Amino acid sequence: DAGITQSPRHKVTETGTPVTLRCHQTENHRYMYWYRQDPGHGLRLIHYSYGVKDTDKGEVSDGYSVSRSKTEDFLLTLESATSSQTSVYFCAISGRGTGSSYEQYFGPGTRLTVT
Amino acid sequence: KQEVTQIPAALSVPEGENLVLNCSFTDSAIYNLQWFRQDPGKGLTSLLLIQSSQREQTSGRLNASLDKSSGRSTLYIAASQPGDSATYLCAVKSGGGADGLTFGKGTHLIIQP
Repeated sequence: DAGITQSPRHKVTETGTPVTLRCHQTENHRYMYWYRQDPGHGLRLIHYSYGVKDTDKGEVSDGYSVSRSKTEDFLLTLESATSSQTSVYFCAISGRGTGSSYEQYFGPGTRLTVT
Repeated sequence: KQEVTQIPAALSVPEGENLVLNCSFTDSAIYNLQWFRQDPGKGLTSLLLIQSSQREQTSGRLNASLDKSSGRSTLYIAASQPGDSATYLCAVKSGGGADGLTFGKGTHLIIQP
């Protein structure tokens, strides 16, 4: 767990509504990531952050935006949720201190259902 | 584009057996490789991390090997127990720094009591 929490843990929302998922870490890791996990696809990278206000796109970034205003928090926003965004979302962290091995540690996940 | 494949997709063995899970990747220019365990409805637990310069890592009954030139890694589990039942995921980090992981689809392991 490495001091990572995600909120909410479960959410059901309707198509077209905005949704924000939060990842919070207490481990002072520099890098933070959002992945989604879907049957038949495994885990895929959505967006990642390499510092406060520094973010970049991953493999499946369409329809998602992110923000990181402080080291501890990384937000994932679905501007207008679609049924294809029904998934389990995982946050991960890595890169604490100098000489880091860049081992990634994962949060407990958020199960999102878009109806 | 890096692709990661895990074989077999599912495996069921009796308790006490030694077993090997396989992971292959298409681009040998990797930074490190991680093995994870995932229990149903739960997050991922990191088991072992192998840097690209290393050949193997051990933790308890687990041993992971890496052959970067052939694009292969194996996870060896000794003296399997019912508590080892889970999905095991292999993930490759292609670059240093903030680069994300590319995952295989996992091996679903069942250890029969």
